[in-house]
Amino acid sequence: DQQVKQNSPSLSVQEGRISILNCDYTNSMFDYFLWYKKYPAEGPTFLISISSIKDKNEDGRFTVFLNKSAKHLSLHIVPSQPGDSAVYFCAASERTSGSRLTFGEGTQLTVNP
Amino acid sequence: NAGVMQNPRHLVRRRGQEARLRCSPVKGHSHVYWYRQLPEEGLKFMVYLQKENIIDESGMPKERFSAEFPKEGPSILRIQQVVRGDSAAYFCASSSANYGYTFGSGTRLTVV
Repeated sequence: DQQVKQNSPSLSVQEGRISILNCDYTNSMFDYFLWYKKYPAEGPTFLISISSIKDKNEDGRFTVFLNKSAKHLSLHIVPSQPGDSAVYFCAASERTSGSRLTFGEGTQLTVNP
Repeated sequence: NAGVMQNPRHLVRRRGQEARLRCSPVKGHSHVYWYRQLPEEGLKFMVYLQKENIIDESGMPKERFSAEFPKEGPSILRIQQVVRGDSAAYFCASSSANYGYTFGSGTRLTVV
């Protein structure tokens, strides 16, 4: 029962272009969504989040879009940099379950110089 | 270092042995979470603890696995009689409120 899905295991983009990572969810009770970045042999690092009362949140080069009707969110990185190469995880939570996070499978982003 | 400290970073156990994974949360954080990442998969929630209490253990296997977060000292995830399927990366995270996780670097358990 995969409640959060990232259908693209990998994505390759050129430096300076936009990276778009996608995430779909099935649980309509999710009301908070997060993106994490993970380098090999390290723990996930928080990037950006969005509450279900919003449809967009921006932080520097990172923007997260939420489409509640489609149960879809995306992370845009622009411009992409080689240092952005990592695995990106989408995660979701519902307030009634405390802060337990449900993660997607991850997308490996490679930014080529 | 104000981050979440996990040790050991790597742990090798033979089938049937016990594995003990330790997690020291960020100073001042009273919420601890354990997640497991199997190869080629995302992180899966295991257990959520506050000081001396298990709040949610719905993601933890009923047998062989236990977790504690004592009043003093680190949180411990204990796996008894390990099997090859327990080989994974185990991540601990801490927070001081409902959101705002900080993850540790994980313990990579290999069962041989």
